[in-house]
Amino acid sequence: QVQLQESGPGLVKPSETLSLTCTVSGGSINTYYWTWIRQPPGKGLEWVGYISDSGITNYNPSLKSRVSMTVDTPKNQFSLTLSSVTAADTAVYYCARDRSVAYDSWGQGTLVIVSS
Amino acid sequence: DIQMTQSPSSVSASVGDRVTITCRASQGISSWVAWYQQKPGKAPKLLIFASSSLNSGVPSRFSGGGSGTDFTLTINSLQPEDFATYYCQQATSFPRTFGQGTKVEIK
Repeated sequence: QVQLQESGPGLVKPSETLSLTCTVSGGSINTYYWTWIRQPPGKGLEWVGYISDSGITNYNPSLKSRVSMTVDTPKNQFSLTLSSVTAADTAVYYCARDRSVAYDSWGQGTLVIVSS
Repeated sequence: DIQMTQSPSSVSASVGDRVTITCRASQGISSWVAWYQQKPGKAPKLLIFASSSLNSGVPSRFSGGGSGTDFTLTINSLQPEDFATYYCQQATSFPRTFGQGTKVEIK
């Protein structure tokens, strides 16, 4: 079955840019949409946005001015960048496969702490 | 944005009990609700999609229902591995939104 794995720095300084990559294995990145969801420590889930295999994106308006996603189909990877981070962006970031009606496969999550 | 409100926020129950969690949407969303289970330190796991469709491999003691604005997740005969936090999520419009979670604890 498909597996997802997030990677990237666990510590980012305030005002800098957070960059994460999700690698998909056990299946092709093609024909699906791929999503980022985050969860601040001890809190609920927040949808960040999605990207399709062809690069169509849709971002949460609350983050829209700071977020960008890209896809690299030959590498079976997609990426998230979030600029001008603050402590409020500290969270576990998950990548997930979007089946439109639900997210059926998730990465294990990666904790990103924003701190100087 | 569509607000998803879960109740209760937490529930204490014993092994073998039936537990029902409610999720209310701030506007009608047809049957486009999914339910997830999350254990500490783990990613959420999809249980139910389209209000009542059981995801592959999920035990049949889990069931979902509802349409419009009111939805339920029921766990029949609670098992030790079911103690976790449960989230609903609407899949009808963007941005996608989740409920605040319901923690099922051991009584």
